Parts: sequence; C-alpha cells; structure tokens
Amino acid sequence: LAKTTQPISMDSYEGQEVNITCSHNNIATNDYITWYQQFPSQGPRFIIQGYKTKVTNEVASLFIPADRKSSTLSLPRVSLSDTAVYYCLVVVNAGNNRKLIWGLGTSLAVNP
Amino acid sequence: NAGVTQTPKFQVLKTGQSMTLQCAQDMNHNSMYWYRQDPGMGLRLIYYSASEGTTDKGEVPNGYNVSRLNKREFSLRLESAAPSQTSVYFCASSDPIRLADADTQYFGPGTRLTVL
Repeated sequence: LAKTTQPISMDSYEGQEVNITCSHNNIATNDYITWYQQFPSQGPRFIIQGYKTKVTNEVASLFIPADRKSSTLSLPRVSLSDTAVYYCLVVVNAGNNRKLIWGLGTSLAVNP
Repeated sequence: NAGVTQTPKFQVLKTGQSMTLQCAQDMNHNSMYWYRQDPGMGLRLIYYSASEGTTDKGEVPNGYNVSRLNKREFSLRLESAAPSQTSVYFCASSDPIRLADADTQYFGPGTRLTVL
C-alpha cells in the first residue's frame, strides 16, 4: 500500500530556495504526484503535479527521480506570503478504484 | 464562477444532535469529496462520489452519511454528533478524465464544527 512521508516543519528566509521532499513507497507506475498549499482558515490549493522527471510552472518546480519513490517540491526565492502548510498527494489507481494517499503536511515558516 | 461553496462556515452542536453540511460546485465536475482535518493528522477522506449517483467510503466514514443530490451538490450528514467529530470539514471536487489521469482537486473554504 502506498504511503507518503514528508517533514513536519521547515524554516527559511525570504529570497531563499526551499525544497520539500515527500517519500512515497510502493507508488504504482501510473500514479501522479500532486502538491497542495494551505493557508490558515482556507482550503488547500493546487500548486503543481507531475508523473516523472521535472515539471515547472509559474510558482514552483517538481522533481521526480527515475525510481519515483520520492518527489521534491522546489519553491524559488520564497517570500513571507509562502508561509503555509504544503501537502503531497499520491493517487493510487487499482482497477476501477482510486485511493488518495495524503501526506501529513509540511509547515513552512518564511522569516524576514 | 464561485468554485466550491460550503455552508455553514461555523457550527456548534451538542452531543447527540444532528446536522447536514452542504457543498456545491459550479465547475461541472464529476467527482466530489468530503474530508476532515484535525491538528497533526492532515486531511482524512470521509466519503467520496466518483460520479452522480455513486458514493464510496473513504478512510474514516463511521458516524457520517452522504448524499450526492445531483452533479452539483454533495452533502455530509452527522446523525448523532459526538465530541470526536469536532473538526474542520472540507469539501472538494475534481474531474479526472481517465482513472489513470492527473487529478486536480478544488477545495471549499471549510466548515468549522464544534461538538460539545
């Protein structure tokens, strides 16, 4: 059964690059990895999604190694507004069923 | 285009009372979900509905029932509330094209429920 593990918390400073890694053992070959951001008193918000290698959008990059047992969310030059909780999500497809495997979240604090 | 809306935003119940949390989406999504979020435990799936007319149990379904009223609406009912159900409840929707396809979930603002 796929399981996701990510650090509980991280600290950074404005302008730095932040990398958050999520481990997902036993991920199946057709699973995608998705990352969400959540601010206090709000619902999670989609950031980025990938299947393999590297994906980049306007807010982040996602690195997935060849063995796909982990993924790294990279936030370039963080600002105070990036302080939030970041979740990784793996979707496991088993026949006609879909199982969502969420990480417990990484609380990122960006300091001035 | 409001996305995913939830009502109420806040609710306080006494043990044993019942209530229904409402959720609606205007994105024509097929799939809808109910989660609860507790400190240190991340998001836990209660029930989901892959399409109109179908519902399935998630990780923590005990004490809850759901109704997929139509494609837009997915409600969560607590028949006899317990203090252990004090939590923040999120509704989400998505539209996976194929089962093996990418799936982006859109979340509502949440309902903060306290059971005394």
